[in-house]
Amino acid sequence: QQQVKQSPQSLIVQKGGISIINCAYENTAFDYFPWYQQFPGKGPALLIAIRPDVSEKKEGRFTISFNKSAKQFSLHIMDSQPGDSATYFCAASRWGSGGSNYKLTFGKGTLLTVNP
Amino acid sequence: DVKVTQSSRYLVKRTGEKVFLECVQDMDHENMFWYRQDPGLGLRLIYFSYDVKMKEKGDIPEGYSVSREKKERFSLILESASTNQTSMYLCATHPHGTGGPSEAFFGQGTRLTVV
Repeated sequence: QQQVKQSPQSLIVQKGGISIINCAYENTAFDYFPWYQQFPGKGPALLIAIRPDVSEKKEGRFTISFNKSAKQFSLHIMDSQPGDSATYFCAASRWGSGGSNYKLTFGKGTLLTVNP
Repeated sequence: DVKVTQSSRYLVKRTGEKVFLECVQDMDHENMFWYRQDPGLGLRLIYFSYDVKMKEKGDIPEGYSVSREKKERFSLILESASTNQTSMYLCATHPHGTGGPSEAFFGQGTRLTVV
């Protein structure tokens, strides 16, 4: 049972281009949507996160767009750089304090390659 | 600097062996997690613990157990290793907050091969 669907599985972008990764979720109890970035040989690290009380969040070149009615959210990487080449995971969890609220349900991941 | 340390980067075990994967954190976080990462499947939650001696099953607990005797240490146990448990195992921690989720901190992973 896949509760967070992520696409595409892989993405190749030229330097300076825009990278877009999409995710869709099924569980309406999800209320917190982070993106994690993973470089080879490393564990994932938090990149950016959003709550559905806003439709967009921007941090530098990274933007999350959120559509609550469609149960979809996406990551946009502007001016993509070779150093952005990594695997990106979208995730979802409930919002609230307490252990079970910190459980993350991950998408399957997107391998991004930015060519110089 | 935040640190989540997994005891081994690479491990090769034989089918039927009992395998222990250890995770230690120095951040005093209440919550600890074990995920399994497989190509094309993403990260899947095996078990998590929100306090010492407390544990809850994740999405794929079959064939695994866990132990948390001290706050800083969370162990994943494969009771009888099988080849389908060959995978990358990731430990993560999360602080307890009064609001909601924040950042989960991951270790570098243990790549386990069962032969």
